[in-house]
Amino acid sequence: GENVEQHPSTLSVQEGDSAVIKCTYSDSASNYFPWYKQELGKGPQLIIDIRSNVGEKKDQRIAVTLNKTAKHFSLHITETQPEDSAVYFCAASILTGGGNKLTFGTGTQLKVEL
Amino acid sequence: EPEVTQTPSHQVTQMGQEVILRCVPISNHLYFYWYRQILGQKVEFLVSFYNNEISEKSEIFDDQFSVERPDGSNFTLKIRSTKLEDSAMYFCASNILYRADTEAFFGQGTRLTVV
Repeated sequence: GENVEQHPSTLSVQEGDSAVIKCTYSDSASNYFPWYKQELGKGPQLIIDIRSNVGEKKDQRIAVTLNKTAKHFSLHITETQPEDSAVYFCAASILTGGGNKLTFGTGTQLKVEL
Repeated sequence: EPEVTQTPSHQVTQMGQEVILRCVPISNHLYFYWYRQILGQKVEFLVSFYNNEISEKSEIFDDQFSVERPDGSNFTLKIRSTKLEDSAMYFCASNILYRADTEAFFGQGTRLTVV
């Protein structure tokens, strides 16, 4: 089955700096790559996603890039703010007969320091 | 904004007891999922459910687990005889899935503590 690796496990940046989180996936059939933000005690919330037919997508301070050949994708957060502090999960998805099963990475604890 | 709702938010149960975790998916969604997250670990897929039957399940989802959609709105996860290692955060999710790549909306989760 699909395996998603995520690095780093923790990331500490100064407010205003950029943060980059990287993920790799194993199954070339994966065609959907969402990023979720999870705050303490809450469920994962989608912040951005990318489809396999797109190389890059941006939404304000957040961008995601996808390299299908290398099977890796990255999350870029610019001008980080304290409220960006959370755990970020990447995920990969393959359509199966049963739906859109997500395989998650191990998570990155992002801390934005003042 | 529509959301996935889960109850209870926290459930404490004794080992060996049965628990039922409840979810109300977004009303026009067709696919429903349960995931779990052991403290400090990644979110893991348990089961997907479509058209009133299980469509895929993981190795974690053994005979102790079952899912049901008893009416038009609720989606439940039952654990028949809880074990200590079942302690985790359980998330329900749903999506509409007209294509392979649609957003899965997650509920706030139920924290299950088995003592």
